[in-house]
Order: sequence, then structure tokens, then C-alpha cells
Amino acid sequence: GENVEQHPSTLSVQEGDSAVIKCTYSDSASNYFPWYKQELGKRPQLIIDIRSNVGEKKDQRIAVTLNKTAKHFSLHITETQPEDSAVYFCAASIDSNYQLIWGAGTKLIIKP
Amino acid sequence: DSGVTQTPKHLITATGQRVTLRCSPRSGDLSVYWYQQSLDQGLQFLIQYYNGEERAKGNILERFSAQQFPDLHSELNLSSLELGDSALYFCASSVKVNTEAFFGQGTRLTVV
Repeated sequence: GENVEQHPSTLSVQEGDSAVIKCTYSDSASNYFPWYKQELGKRPQLIIDIRSNVGEKKDQRIAVTLNKTAKHFSLHITETQPEDSAVYFCAASIDSNYQLIWGAGTKLIIKP
Repeated sequence: DSGVTQTPKHLITATGQRVTLRCSPRSGDLSVYWYQQSLDQGLQFLIQYYNGEERAKGNILERFSAQQFPDLHSELNLSSLELGDSALYFCASSVKVNTEAFFGQGTRLTVV
């Protein structure tokens, strides 16, 4: 079955610098890749998603890139701010399946 | 507010007991997902329903069961509770597979 690996488990960056979180998936049939942000004590919320027919998607300071050949996708956050501190989860799924397969999460720490 | 309602918010119970967690999805959402999140851990997928039918099962213990009712609300039943079942239980809903999932605020279960 599908497996999603997420790295790193913890990422500490200086405020204003960029952060990159990477996920790899195993099933080449996967075609939907969302990223969720979970702030401390709160619910996960979708921040960006990408489908397999697109290589990159941007939303202000956040971007996601997808490399179908290598079976990995990455979250890029530029000009990091204190409010970016959270745990970020990636996931992958296939249209014919009903289950999102989640990465283990990355704790992003923004240092002032 | 995501539109997904979970009750109760907090639950404290003794080992060996049985509890029921309730979830009302967003209006129009046919998919309901249940997740378990232990302290500082990732999201463990338990089970998913689509329009009343079970569609996917994750690492759900035999002591746990769930159902989705005709009005689309869902209940997660946890029985013979153990200390290790203490966790945050999230419900999420989406219109269909591979679309944004909206999470409820979670039910924090503490087994003492």
C-alpha cells in the first residue's frame, strides 16, 4: 500500500529565512497531495494542495512542488514569520482510494 | 470555525469504561474521517465513511467501532478503555474523496 515519508521531523529556521519540508510517496498512482498546518492545541487546516497534473502551485509565501518521476513533493515557505511556527503534515491519496496517507509531521520552529 | 462539530470537547473516564464521541460534518459533506492523535504524535487514521457506508479502515482497534447515520453524523465508540487510549480524537469531513478535509476541534479523551 501507499506509504508517505516526511522529512525533517523538526526544522528550526531564522525568522525571514526560507523553510523546505519534503515528502516522498511510494504509490505512483497517487494523484492528490495536500499540506496541513496544525498550530499548538488547534485543529489541522489545509494550507495548500496540488494534483498530479500540476508541477507547482503558489499561494503568497507558500508553494508546493511535485516531482512525479522521483515521487516526492515539497512545501516551501519563504520569508518565514513567527506565526509559521506549527506542525506541518503532508499527505497523499489516489482517486480510487478513500484514504489519505499521512506523513509523520514536521515541527517548524521560527527563531526570532 | 470549520463547520465540523465534535462533542464533547473533553472527556475524562476510567479504565475499562466505554465512551461515545460524536461528530456532525459540514453541511453537504458526505465523507467523514476519524483520526487519533496522541501527545506530540502524528495523525493516525482510524476509519472513513462515505454517505453512510464504511469505505476505508486504518489502524483501528477491535475495541473501537464507528458508524455514520442517515443524517450523516457519525459516532466513534471506544470500549474497554486503556490508559494508552488517552488522546485527541479528530473528526474531519469533506465533500468527496480528494478534496479539502475540514477538521473539528477534537475531543480530548483522558483515561485515568
